[in-house]
Amino acid sequence: NAGVMQNPRHLVRRRGQEARLRCSPMKGHSHVYWYRQLPEEGLKFMVYLQKENIIDESGMPKERFSAEFPKEGPSILRIQQVVRGDSAAYFCASSPQRDYEQYFGPGTRLTVT
Amino acid sequence: SQQGEEDPQALSIQEGENATMNCSYKTSINNLQWYRQNSGRGLVHLILIRSNEREKHSGRLRVTLDTSKKSSSLLITASRAADTASYFCATDATNSKLTFGKGITLSVRP
Repeated sequence: NAGVMQNPRHLVRRRGQEARLRCSPMKGHSHVYWYRQLPEEGLKFMVYLQKENIIDESGMPKERFSAEFPKEGPSILRIQQVVRGDSAAYFCASSPQRDYEQYFGPGTRLTVT
Repeated sequence: SQQGEEDPQALSIQEGENATMNCSYKTSINNLQWYRQNSGRGLVHLILIRSNEREKHSGRLRVTLDTSKKSSSLLITASRAADTASYFCATDATNSKLTFGKGITLSVRP
């Protein structure tokens, strides 16, 4: 049973470009969570999705950030018009049900130049 | 302020010794989860303890939860050099969104 997959592992974007981060949850998991880790800090919740629905996006910046988890395919975190402050590690986690263990992927390290 | 705050911030012990790490939080929770993160890598899930549980074991790990004191502890017995990592507690207070502390850096000297 493969774990949570994220790609790309490293992403470099120039200011103003778009970044697309992908997450494939563990098999059988329909709940996906995105977190961001800034240097020297703990992880911060961004958004919680369950197939085709956004359950909680209270940690997501109001502008430039969006997330989706379509019926088919991976969950996508999209950052438009990236700025230097978006440079961070973005982690995706999945669980089979809410209030269960969340298993994390290896993360995507975004660098904005 | 942080929901989950770990203590101490850094811990250095000799191989074979036990390591105890503490976590305090502020609001009622559904569950509390402990994770390990090796430098520059993803998080590895260690253990989940629910609000109606007081203690759980997994191999060399023992986790306790005291909801009256809003605190949890993670004990690693007979530590190994491979246990060197950062350890995070994360609380699930609402809607399955985890709130993480800043972590504890554990160094196990061979």
